[in-house]
Amino acid sequence: DQQVKQNSPSLSVQEGRISILNCDYTNSMFDYFLWYKKYPAEGPTFLISISSIKDKNEDGRFTVFLNKSAKHLSLHIVPSQPGDSAVYFCAASESGTSYGKLTFGQGTILTVHP
Amino acid sequence: NAGVTQTPKFQVLKTGQSMTLQCAQDMNHEYMSWYRQDPGMGLRLIHYSVGAGITDQGEVPNGYNVSRSTTEDFPLRLLSAAPSQTSVYFCASSSRTGGTAYEQYFGPGTRLTVT
Repeated sequence: DQQVKQNSPSLSVQEGRISILNCDYTNSMFDYFLWYKKYPAEGPTFLISISSIKDKNEDGRFTVFLNKSAKHLSLHIVPSQPGDSAVYFCAASESGTSYGKLTFGQGTILTVHP
Repeated sequence: NAGVTQTPKFQVLKTGQSMTLQCAQDMNHEYMSWYRQDPGMGLRLIHYSVGAGITDQGEVPNGYNVSRSTTEDFPLRLLSAAPSQTSVYFCASSSRTGGTAYEQYFGPGTRLTVT
């Protein structure tokens, strides 16, 4: 039972354009969501997060949107750069009793072409 | 500040052998976790710890043991390796200080092959 799903295994965009990565979840108890970026042969690195009390969070070129009613979140990268090429994982957590536990999606491979 | 370190980077085991994957962090984080990454499956939580002496099971704990005797170290033991345990293993740590317990710091990973 995959509680966090990234239905697009890969995404290819041109440099300078917008990249939109999507993530769906089924567990209504999730109230904190994160995006991680992973380069080959390295561990994932934290990118951006959002609490369920918000519907948008921005950090430079990265914006995460949360639609609680649809149980959907998305990561927008504008403008996309070749260095953004990596695997992107969304993750979710329940606050309170489950600190330290993250449930990850399958990942989306983003390729940004020069 | 080395962050989260993992050893070894690569390991090949025969079925039935045992081994310990080492993980250490120098950030004084109270939370530590082990994940495995398999193609098409994302990262799945194996075991986690909320402090020294306290551990609990994650999503896929079978075949693995952990202990947390110090804040810094969180070793993962494979008691009798099976080919299904071929994977890349990541250790992570985080802290509730400042409300950032969810933002875990990951080690570089250990690539394990069981033949």
